[in-house]
Amino acid sequence: GENVEQHPSTLSVQEGDSAVIKCTYSDSASNYFPWYKQELGKRPQLIIDIRSNVGEKKDQRIAVTLNKTAKHFSLHITETQPEDSAVYFCAAVLNAGNMLTFGGGTRLMVKP
Amino acid sequence: NAGVTQTPKFQVLKTGQSMTLQCAQDMNHNSMYWYRQDPGMGLRLIYYSASEGTTDKGEVPNGYNVSRLNKREFSLRLESAAPSQTSVYFCASSGPSGSSNEQFFGPGTRLTVL
Repeated sequence: GENVEQHPSTLSVQEGDSAVIKCTYSDSASNYFPWYKQELGKRPQLIIDIRSNVGEKKDQRIAVTLNKTAKHFSLHITETQPEDSAVYFCAAVLNAGNMLTFGGGTRLMVKP
Repeated sequence: NAGVTQTPKFQVLKTGQSMTLQCAQDMNHNSMYWYRQDPGMGLRLIYYSASEGTTDKGEVPNGYNVSRLNKREFSLRLESAAPSQTSVYFCASSGPSGSSNEQFFGPGTRLTVL
């Protein structure tokens, strides 16, 4: 099955700085890579996703890059704000069954 | 639309007791999932149902059973609860095959087994 590793487990940045979270996956057949944000006590919510036929996708301050050869993908948040503080999870999906395999999560803290 | 709903929100059980967690979605999604989330860890798939009438094991199925009652509802049963099953349980659903893979999550059930 798929295995997803996520780094770092915690990340502290100053407001206005950029934050980068990296994930690697094991199965080259995976073709969909979502990122979820989970605030304390809340449900995970999708913030951005990318498919294997695309190398980069951007949505305002958030971007995701994918390197299929190296089997890794990254989340980039620019101009961080205190409300970006949360746990972020990457995931990978093998097409069959649509099953998500999650990384272990990154706790992002944005200091005002 | 309510999206994905779960009941109960909180539950405390004694070791050996049984209970069923309920999940329903009103988005006409084909696929539904049950995850558990332990402190400081990611979500792990317990069971999933790709379509009405089918269920399959995920990464951590031991100690659980599921029922896909109809297209809307997918329940998770603990037959004999153990302290190791203390966790937050999330149900999720996603659209028809070939459409977006996005999974929508319910609010979660926080379960404590004493």
